[in-house]
Amino acid sequence: SQKIEQNSEALNIQEGKTATLTCNYTNYSPAYLQWYRQDPGRGPVFLLLIRENEKEKRKERLKVTFDTTLKQSLFHITASQPADSATYLCALLSGGSYIPTFGRGTSLIVHP
Amino acid sequence: DVKVTQSSRYLVKRTGEKVFLECVQDMDHENMFWYRQDPGLGLRLIYFSYDVKMKEKGDIPEGYSVSREKKERFSLILESASTNQTSMYLCASQTGGKSYEQYFGPGTRLTVT
Repeated sequence: SQKIEQNSEALNIQEGKTATLTCNYTNYSPAYLQWYRQDPGRGPVFLLLIRENEKEKRKERLKVTFDTTLKQSLFHITASQPADSATYLCALLSGGSYIPTFGRGTSLIVHP
Repeated sequence: DVKVTQSSRYLVKRTGEKVFLECVQDMDHENMFWYRQDPGLGLRLIYFSYDVKMKEKGDIPEGYSVSREKKERFSLILESASTNQTSMYLCASQTGGKSYEQYFGPGTRLTVT
């Protein structure tokens, strides 16, 4: 069955460091991969999309990579700040489908 | 800015009551979704709609129904609320085209006692 794995353990890092979050998937051939940010008690907010034929995407301090051979996406936040503390969700969409399947998310805690 | 609003932030209902959760979006999106989110289980799709009066079951439709009479409004109905439906309910609308990004509402924290 299709499976999306994000690290369930919180990632704790120091301010100024680069945070790297992982999204692994099995039995899936996504055409698109999205990343969302979710703050406690609020709905997720879309951050970035990367397509299967793209290796890397950047937006300000965010960088996403997509390796369809490893079946993995990495989400990087450079020069992290305490305000980046949140849960980050990855979501996969198959070609021809507009319905995303979400991972369970990884909590990021940036310490000042 | 896209705005998705939900009728209530917090709701407490009794077992057996009929519960209506409403969602309104202002971006003329065709696709709308209802999810529930529980600790350790992530976001689970209940129902979605791709047009007025059109609906499709998601992964966990049992105990729920939906209504989409107008493009901007998508309602989730709990026919007879049960304690295992205590959850955070999130509505989303979606752009088409190239990104399929979803815009979420603030969520409704429903407690069924």
